Amino acid sequence: GDSVTQMEGPVTLSEEAFLTINCTYTATGYPSLFWYVQYPGEGLQLLLKATKADDKGSNKGFEATYRKETTSFHLEKGSVQVSDSAVYFCALSVNDYKLSFGAGTTVTVRA
Amino acid sequence: ETGVTQSPTHLIKTRGQQVTLRCSSQSGHNTVSWYQQALGQGPQFIFQYYREEENGRGNFPPRFSGLQFPNYSSELNVNALELDDSALYLCASSFVVNTEAFFGQGTRLTVV
Repeated sequence: GDSVTQMEGPVTLSEEAFLTINCTYTATGYPSLFWYVQYPGEGLQLLLKATKADDKGSNKGFEATYRKETTSFHLEKGSVQVSDSAVYFCALSVNDYKLSFGAGTTVTVRA
Repeated sequence: ETGVTQSPTHLIKTRGQQVTLRCSSQSGHNTVSWYQQALGQGPQFIFQYYREEENGRGNFPPRFSGLQFPNYSSELNVNALELDDSALYLCASSFVVNTEAFFGQGTRLTVV
C-alpha cells in the first residue's frame, strides 16, 4: 500500500541552523507530495506541496523537491527560527481523496 | 471567511459509550474528511464525505460512522468506544475532492 517514512525525531537545533527532515515514500500510482506542520495545540497546516517529478515546493523559507528516482521529498530550511518549532508531517495522495501521513518529526529550535 | 471548526475541543468518555464529534467546513467547501491521530503518530484516514455521500473509507471498523449535512457540515460517530480510540480527531474540508484540504484544530477524545 501507499506509505510514507520520515526521519525520526526529536530534532533539536539552534537558531539559524540548517534543517533537513528526510522523507521517502512508497506508492502504487503517481502521488502528489505534501509537507504539513502542526504547531502546539493547533491542527495541521499545509506547508508546501509538489504534484509532479522535479517540482520544488516552497513556503516560509522551507523547500522540498519531488525526486521520483529516489522516491523522496526531503524538507529543508537554511536558517531556522524559534517559531519553526513544531511537528512536521510528510504526506502523499495518490487517489486524490486520501492523505497518507508519516509519523511526524518533532523539531525544537533553541534561541 | 471562516475556517474549519470542530466541537467539542476535548471530551472524556467511558469504554463502551458512544460519541459524536462535529465539524463545520470552511465556507464554500463541499468535501469533508476525518482523520484519527493517536499520540505520537501521524493522522490516519477514516473516511471522506462529498455532497452528503461517503466517498472513500480507510481501515476502520463499522462502529466508526459519519454523516454530512446539506450545509456540508459533518459528524463522526463512534460506537462501543474502546481505550484505543483515545486520540485527536481531525476534520479537513476542501472545495472539491481533489483540492487542498484545510484542517480544523481537532477534538481530543479520551476513553477511560
